Amino acid sequence: DAGVIQSPRHEVTEMGQEVTLRCKPISGHDYLFWYRQTMMRGLELLIYFNNNVPIDDSGMPEDRFSAKMPNASFSTLKIQPSEPRDSAVYFCASRTLQGHHNEQFFGPGTRLTVL
Amino acid sequence: KNQVEQSPQSLIILEGKNCTLQCNYTVSPFSNLRWYKQDTGRGPVSLTIMTFSENTKSNGRYTATLDADTKQSSLHITASQLSDSASYICVVSPYGDSSNTGKLIFGQGTTLQVKP
Repeated sequence: DAGVIQSPRHEVTEMGQEVTLRCKPISGHDYLFWYRQTMMRGLELLIYFNNNVPIDDSGMPEDRFSAKMPNASFSTLKIQPSEPRDSAVYFCASRTLQGHHNEQFFGPGTRLTVL
Repeated sequence: KNQVEQSPQSLIILEGKNCTLQCNYTVSPFSNLRWYKQDTGRGPVSLTIMTFSENTKSNGRYTATLDADTKQSSLHITASQLSDSASYICVVSPYGDSSNTGKLIFGQGTTLQVKP
């Protein structure tokens, strides 16, 4: 398996523009997590899905952020409109219910820069 | 409040030397504790995992210890190599999450730099 795949790897945009980050989880995994990582706050959970259904979005910072999972192999995280403080690395992770001790497998991340 | 704190925040050592990273947590009860390694520009990768009943786990030159009584864990790196330069993140999984979501509590990480 190729692991968790994220695209793009880098994104530079201007304030006010819409940004869409994409994630393909490991095949067969039924949980998908979106995280944001900054120097100041470390890794923060934004939202997670179980069997394509959003379960907990309490970490989503504000209404400008939205996430979808239309099928088991694809998820998006959208920021509209983007702001400079959204600059961070966004990780997607997946796991299976039968996984070893809840281990989550992380993608390579998308580095977002909002100018 | 469930928290995970790591020390030091950053560390520089010479190649071949040993080092120990610390993790204190207040998560209780907890299911397991992991150490992740995150190379620059990459996602975190699991190094070791210990349940509350385990007190040591090794993965090559990496040895993690756990003291569930004092709620402390350490990651010891032996004979460091340049490739050990990375961030090391202590992650605790709370026990009792009935939905078994695997929501994790992350430390801020220790940035290790190994110099030749």
